Amino acid sequence: GAVVSQHPSRVICKSGTSVKIECRSLDFQATTMFWYRQFPKKSLMLMATSNEGSKATYEQGVEKDKFLINHASLTLSTLTVTSAHPEDSSFYICSASPQGAKGYTFGSGTRLTVV
Amino acid sequence: GENVEQHPSTLSVQEGDSAVIKCTYSDSASNYFPWYKQELGKRPQLIIDIRSNVGEKKDQRIAVTLNKTAKHFSLHITETQPEDSAVYFCAAIYSGGGADGLTFGKGTHLIIQP
Repeated sequence: GAVVSQHPSRVICKSGTSVKIECRSLDFQATTMFWYRQFPKKSLMLMATSNEGSKATYEQGVEKDKFLINHASLTLSTLTVTSAHPEDSSFYICSASPQGAKGYTFGSGTRLTVV
Repeated sequence: GENVEQHPSTLSVQEGDSAVIKCTYSDSASNYFPWYKQELGKRPQLIIDIRSNVGEKKDQRIAVTLNKTAKHFSLHITETQPEDSAVYFCAAIYSGGGADGLTFGKGTHLIIQP
């Protein structure tokens, strides 16, 4: 149980375009999901907390207008990287915690390359 | 907010030996401390966790110890095997039911030498 699915796994886009990444909880409802970014050989850094039915909460230094988060249902959160630039190239990974259960489950991650 | 320090950044041990990774945290309110294993290009996988009401937890070759007074916790892997080679991350959080994101340490690249 507690499976989180993330799509796409890899995406290459041109500079200036937008990319949408989906995160789904497959066997549980998640009122809260989390988005992390991981640069090569670095740790996971929390970008934002996605809240179902309300605005996302962004960590300090993360531009909310650049990283749009929508959590329209209890099983789906999306992260849209707008006007992507090469420095946005990274591994983006989502996470959720089943209510009442221990631990956080991670999606499989999305490798974004902006050319 | 929480700050988690992790050491060492790289650890090389002979197969069969033990490996110890240490983390410290800053927020005394943190009460949940998971450890994740991440292989290259893959998602982090929870390998063991501990809550603040417990001082030690063991699962086969893996154990975690917690010292709340000193605000540090450690991962112990015994009888290491080649498949233990990966990057390990510690994390800390005040867990109010999954409403907050994890703060991770910088990771330890564990290398098991055959």
